[in-house]
Amino acid sequence: GQSLEQPSEVTAVEGAIVQINCTYQTSGFYGLSWYQQHDGGAPTFLSYNALDGLEETGRFSSFLSRSDSYGYLLLQELQMKDSASYFCAVGGWGGYQKVTFGIGTKLQVIP
Amino acid sequence: NAGVTQTPKFQVLKTGQSMTLQCAQDMNHNSMYWYRQDPGMGLRLIYYSASEGTTDKGEVPNGYNVSRLNKREFSLRLESAAPSQTSVYFCASSEGTTYSYEQYFGPGTRLTVT
Repeated sequence: GQSLEQPSEVTAVEGAIVQINCTYQTSGFYGLSWYQQHDGGAPTFLSYNALDGLEETGRFSSFLSRSDSYGYLLLQELQMKDSASYFCAVGGWGGYQKVTFGIGTKLQVIP
Repeated sequence: NAGVTQTPKFQVLKTGQSMTLQCAQDMNHNSMYWYRQDPGMGLRLIYYSASEGTTDKGEVPNGYNVSRLNKREFSLRLESAAPSQTSVYFCASSEGTTYSYEQYFGPGTRLTVT
Protein backbone atom coordinates (compact mmCIF):
# COMPACT_ATOMS: atom_id res chain seq x y z
CA GLY A 1 0.00 0.00 0.00
CA GLN A 2 0.88 3.64 0.13
CA SER A 3 0.86 6.24 2.88
CA LEU A 4 1.82 9.90 3.07
CA GLU A 5 2.42 12.19 6.00
CA GLN A 6 2.18 15.96 5.96
CA PRO A 7 1.46 18.52 8.70
CA SER A 8 -2.21 19.25 9.23
CA GLU A 9 -1.88 23.01 9.65
CA VAL A 10 0.68 25.73 9.00
CA THR A 11 0.43 29.47 9.66
CA ALA A 12 2.70 32.01 7.97
CA VAL A 13 2.91 35.76 7.52
CA GLU A 14 2.13 37.55 4.27
CA GLY A 15 5.31 38.10 2.27
CA ALA A 16 7.20 35.32 4.03
CA ILE A 17 8.33 31.89 2.83
CA VAL A 18 6.72 28.64 3.98
CA GLN A 19 7.73 25.02 3.43
CA ILE A 20 5.22 22.16 3.55
CA ASN A 21 6.84 18.75 4.00
CA CYS A 22 5.62 15.39 2.80
CA THR A 23 7.04 11.96 3.56
CA TYR A 24 5.74 8.88 1.82
CA GLN A 25 5.87 5.12 1.83
CA THR A 26 5.00 3.34 -1.36
CA SER A 27 5.65 0.10 -3.20
CA GLY A 28 6.82 1.36 -6.55
CA PHE A 29 7.14 5.06 -7.24
CA TYR A 30 5.81 7.14 -10.09
CA GLY A 31 6.43 10.63 -8.82
CA LEU A 32 5.23 13.15 -6.24
CA SER A 33 2.61 15.75 -7.11
CA TRP A 34 1.24 18.77 -5.28
CA TYR A 35 -2.28 20.17 -5.45
CA GLN A 36 -3.91 23.29 -4.04
CA GLN A 37 -7.51 23.42 -2.87
CA HIS A 38 -9.36 26.50 -1.66
CA ASP A 39 -12.29 26.01 0.70
CA GLY A 40 -15.30 24.82 -1.25
CA GLY A 41 -13.31 24.45 -4.44
CA ALA A 42 -11.75 21.69 -6.47
CA PRO A 43 -8.09 20.63 -6.26
CA THR A 44 -5.83 22.21 -8.84
CA PHE A 45 -2.46 20.86 -9.92
CA LEU A 46 0.65 22.78 -8.83
CA SER A 47 3.71 20.69 -9.60
CA TYR A 48 5.18 17.27 -10.16
CA ASN A 49 8.58 15.69 -9.39
CA ALA A 50 9.69 12.38 -10.83
CA LEU A 51 13.41 12.87 -10.25
CA ASP A 52 15.43 14.21 -7.33
CA GLY A 53 15.85 17.93 -7.14
CA LEU A 54 13.99 21.18 -7.23
CA GLU A 55 11.31 22.21 -9.72
CA GLU A 56 10.39 25.88 -9.82
CA THR A 57 7.17 27.40 -11.11
CA GLY A 58 6.89 31.07 -10.31
CA ARG A 59 6.51 31.60 -6.56
CA PHE A 60 6.10 27.87 -5.98
CA SER A 61 8.89 25.28 -5.92
CA SER A 62 8.76 21.58 -5.21
CA PHE A 63 11.58 19.34 -4.10
CA LEU A 64 12.01 15.56 -4.11
CA SER A 65 14.51 13.20 -2.53
CA ARG A 66 13.67 9.64 -3.57
CA SER A 67 16.33 8.12 -1.30
CA ASP A 68 14.67 9.78 1.71
CA SER A 69 11.08 9.28 0.45
CA TYR A 70 10.61 12.96 1.12
CA GLY A 71 9.48 16.03 -0.67
CA TYR A 72 8.37 19.56 0.07
CA LEU A 73 6.47 22.43 -1.43
CA LEU A 74 8.01 25.87 -1.01
CA LEU A 75 5.84 28.95 -1.33
CA GLN A 76 7.62 32.29 -1.56
CA GLU A 77 6.33 35.84 -1.22
CA LEU A 78 3.18 34.57 0.42
CA GLN A 79 -0.06 36.27 -0.50
CA MET A 80 -3.40 36.15 1.29
CA LYS A 81 -4.84 34.22 -1.66
CA ASP A 82 -2.38 31.39 -0.90
CA SER A 83 -4.51 30.49 2.12
CA ALA A 84 -5.72 27.03 1.10
CA SER A 85 -5.11 23.35 1.66
CA TYR A 86 -2.12 21.75 -0.04
CA PHE A 87 -2.03 18.05 -0.81
CA CYS A 88 0.92 15.90 -1.75
CA ALA A 89 0.10 12.87 -3.85
CA VAL A 90 2.13 9.88 -4.96
CA GLY A 91 1.64 7.40 -7.76
CA GLY A 92 2.90 3.99 -6.83
CA TRP A 93 1.15 0.68 -6.31
CA GLY A 94 -0.76 -0.56 -9.29
CA GLY A 95 0.77 1.91 -11.68
CA TYR A 96 1.14 5.61 -12.11
CA GLN A 97 -2.57 6.31 -12.37
CA LYS A 98 -3.40 4.94 -8.93
CA VAL A 99 -2.61 8.09 -7.04
CA THR A 100 -2.76 8.31 -3.26
CA PHE A 101 -3.28 11.72 -1.67
CA GLY A 102 -2.10 12.91 1.72
CA ILE A 103 -4.64 14.34 4.15
CA GLY A 104 -3.63 17.88 3.24
CA THR A 105 -1.97 20.81 4.99
CA LYS A 106 -4.18 23.80 5.71
CA LEU A 107 -2.12 26.95 5.21
CA GLN A 108 -3.31 30.14 6.82
CA VAL A 109 -1.60 33.34 5.68
CA ILE A 110 -1.92 36.17 8.17
CA PRO A 111 -1.23 39.89 7.61
CA ASN B 1 -13.34 24.37 -23.10
CA ALA B 2 -15.46 23.49 -20.09
CA GLY B 3 -12.82 21.10 -18.73
CA VAL B 4 -14.39 18.57 -16.37
CA THR B 5 -18.08 18.96 -15.58
CA GLN B 6 -20.09 17.13 -12.96
CA THR B 7 -23.80 16.86 -12.29
CA PRO B 8 -25.52 17.34 -9.96
CA LYS B 9 -23.71 19.87 -7.75
CA PHE B 10 -25.74 18.98 -4.66
CA GLN B 11 -27.87 15.97 -3.78
CA VAL B 12 -29.71 14.70 -0.73
CA LEU B 13 -30.67 11.04 -0.63
CA LYS B 14 -32.47 8.85 1.86
CA THR B 15 -30.79 5.64 2.97
CA GLY B 16 -31.39 2.91 0.41
CA GLN B 17 -32.02 5.22 -2.53
CA SER B 18 -29.90 4.98 -5.64
CA MET B 19 -28.39 7.63 -7.86
CA THR B 20 -25.83 8.18 -10.59
CA LEU B 21 -23.25 10.95 -10.58
CA GLN B 22 -22.33 12.12 -14.05
CA CYS B 23 -18.94 13.33 -15.23
CA ALA B 24 -17.76 14.52 -18.62
CA GLN B 25 -14.49 15.98 -19.93
CA ASP B 26 -13.80 17.76 -23.19
CA MET B 27 -9.99 17.57 -23.18
CA ASN B 28 -9.74 14.26 -25.07
CA HIS B 29 -8.14 12.67 -22.01
CA ASN B 30 -7.70 8.93 -21.82
CA SER B 31 -7.93 8.44 -18.06
CA MET B 32 -10.73 9.37 -15.69
CA TYR B 33 -11.14 9.03 -11.93
CA TRP B 34 -13.67 9.23 -9.13
CA TYR B 35 -12.58 10.39 -5.68
CA ARG B 36 -14.39 11.07 -2.45
CA GLN B 37 -13.25 13.67 0.04
CA ASP B 38 -14.15 13.56 3.71
CA PRO B 39 -12.96 15.97 6.41
CA GLY B 40 -9.51 14.99 7.63
CA MET B 41 -9.23 12.16 5.11
CA GLY B 42 -7.90 13.84 2.02
CA LEU B 43 -8.96 12.50 -1.37
CA ARG B 44 -9.52 8.77 -1.72
CA LEU B 45 -9.70 7.01 -5.06
CA ILE B 46 -12.93 5.07 -5.58
CA TYR B 47 -12.54 3.82 -9.16
CA TYR B 48 -10.57 4.83 -12.20
CA SER B 49 -10.61 4.20 -15.91
CA ALA B 50 -7.19 4.11 -17.54
CA SER B 51 -8.70 4.24 -21.00
CA GLU B 52 -12.02 3.88 -22.76
CA GLY B 53 -13.45 0.43 -22.12
CA THR B 54 -11.52 -0.28 -18.92
CA THR B 55 -12.27 0.36 -15.26
CA ASP B 56 -10.49 -0.67 -12.09
CA LYS B 57 -10.97 -0.42 -8.36
CA GLY B 58 -9.24 2.18 -6.26
CA GLU B 59 -8.83 2.41 -2.53
CA VAL B 60 -12.52 2.52 -1.47
CA PRO B 61 -14.72 0.84 -4.14
CA ASN B 62 -17.27 -0.88 -1.90
CA GLY B 63 -20.83 0.36 -2.43
CA TYR B 64 -20.08 1.95 -5.81
CA ASN B 65 -20.15 0.99 -9.46
CA VAL B 66 -18.81 2.87 -12.47
CA SER B 67 -19.36 3.00 -16.20
CA ARG B 68 -17.02 4.46 -18.79
CA LEU B 69 -19.71 5.29 -21.29
CA ASN B 70 -17.32 6.62 -23.92
CA LYS B 71 -14.05 8.53 -23.95
CA ARG B 72 -15.73 11.69 -22.59
CA GLU B 73 -18.02 10.31 -19.90
CA PHE B 74 -17.46 8.39 -16.67
CA SER B 75 -20.37 7.85 -14.27
CA LEU B 76 -20.47 6.71 -10.64
CA ARG B 77 -23.48 4.84 -9.31
CA LEU B 78 -24.60 4.32 -5.74
CA GLU B 79 -27.01 1.38 -5.79
CA SER B 80 -28.21 1.64 -2.18
CA ALA B 81 -26.98 4.79 -0.49
CA ALA B 82 -25.79 4.67 3.12
CA PRO B 83 -25.03 7.55 5.53
CA SER B 84 -21.33 6.57 5.34
CA GLN B 85 -21.41 7.69 1.71
CA THR B 86 -22.10 11.28 2.71
CA SER B 87 -19.15 13.05 1.15
CA VAL B 88 -17.93 15.37 -1.59
CA TYR B 89 -17.31 13.47 -4.81
CA PHE B 90 -14.81 14.69 -7.36
CA CYS B 91 -14.33 13.45 -10.88
CA ALA B 92 -10.95 14.02 -12.53
CA SER B 93 -9.25 13.30 -15.81
CA SER B 94 -5.70 13.11 -17.12
CA GLU B 95 -4.00 12.50 -20.44
CA GLY B 96 -3.20 9.00 -19.27
CA THR B 97 0.33 8.76 -20.55
CA THR B 98 3.22 7.73 -18.35
CA TYR B 99 4.74 11.20 -18.26
CA SER B 100 1.63 13.29 -17.77
CA TYR B 101 0.55 13.18 -14.18
CA GLU B 102 -1.54 16.31 -13.96
CA GLN B 103 -5.12 15.56 -13.05
CA TYR B 104 -7.89 18.03 -13.82
CA PHE B 105 -10.74 18.05 -11.34
CA GLY B 106 -14.41 18.85 -11.75
CA PRO B 107 -16.23 21.16 -9.29
CA GLY B 108 -17.52 18.31 -7.15
CA THR B 109 -20.87 16.88 -6.05
CA ARG B 110 -21.87 17.40 -2.44
CA LEU B 111 -23.90 14.35 -1.41
CA THR B 112 -25.77 13.94 1.86
CA VAL B 113 -27.39 10.62 2.78
CA THR B 114 -29.91 10.79 5.63
